[in-house]
Amino acid sequence: DAGVIQSPRHEVTEMGQEVTLRCKPISGHDYLFWYRQTMMRGLELLIYFNNNVPIDDSGMPEDRFSAKMPNASFSTLKIQPSEPRDSAVYFCASNPGGENYGYTFGSGTRLTVV
Amino acid sequence: QKEVEQNSGPLSVPEGAIASLNCTYSDRGSQSFFWYRQYSGKSPELIMFIYSNGDKEDGRFTAQLNKASQYVSLLIRDSQPSDSATYLCAVKGAGGFKTIFGAGTRLFVKA
Repeated sequence: DAGVIQSPRHEVTEMGQEVTLRCKPISGHDYLFWYRQTMMRGLELLIYFNNNVPIDDSGMPEDRFSAKMPNASFSTLKIQPSEPRDSAVYFCASNPGGENYGYTFGSGTRLTVV
Repeated sequence: QKEVEQNSGPLSVPEGAIASLNCTYSDRGSQSFFWYRQYSGKSPELIMFIYSNGDKEDGRFTAQLNKASQYVSLLIRDSQPSDSATYLCAVKGAGGFKTIFGAGTRLFVKA
């Protein structure tokens, strides 16, 4: 298995532009999570899906952020318009379900908004 | 009060020593507890999980859980320079799949 696949690895964009981050979870994993990591705030859960349905989006910082999971093998996190404070590493992770399973993280997308 | 607290470190230990990493959590209903290792510039990787009070051993790693004290720890025996990384404590609450991460403890193992 190739693991959780994220793209792009790096993204540099200008303030005000739309940014789309992509994730392919591990096949058979029913749960997908989007996290953001910064030095100041650590790893923050943004949203998670179960069987393609958003379950908890309370961590999404503002209406500028949106996430979709149109099928079991693909999810996107979109920021529109982007701002410099959105600069962070965005991780996607998946989990097969069950209380005692940890996450498998993707390699992350390092986003820089200038 | 943060939901999951860790000493940010850095914790420095000599090669071959035992490294002890600690974590406290605020949600008394938490059910599952995880330790992740994150090398600089890389993504977190799961190294241990524990859900029952007591100790759980896996190779050089031992996780310890005390639910009454709301305390989780990770011991690394025979520490190696390759163990130098940030160790993240993560706690999953009851009835859901939302996992809260601590800020992490940076560990340096000196050769």
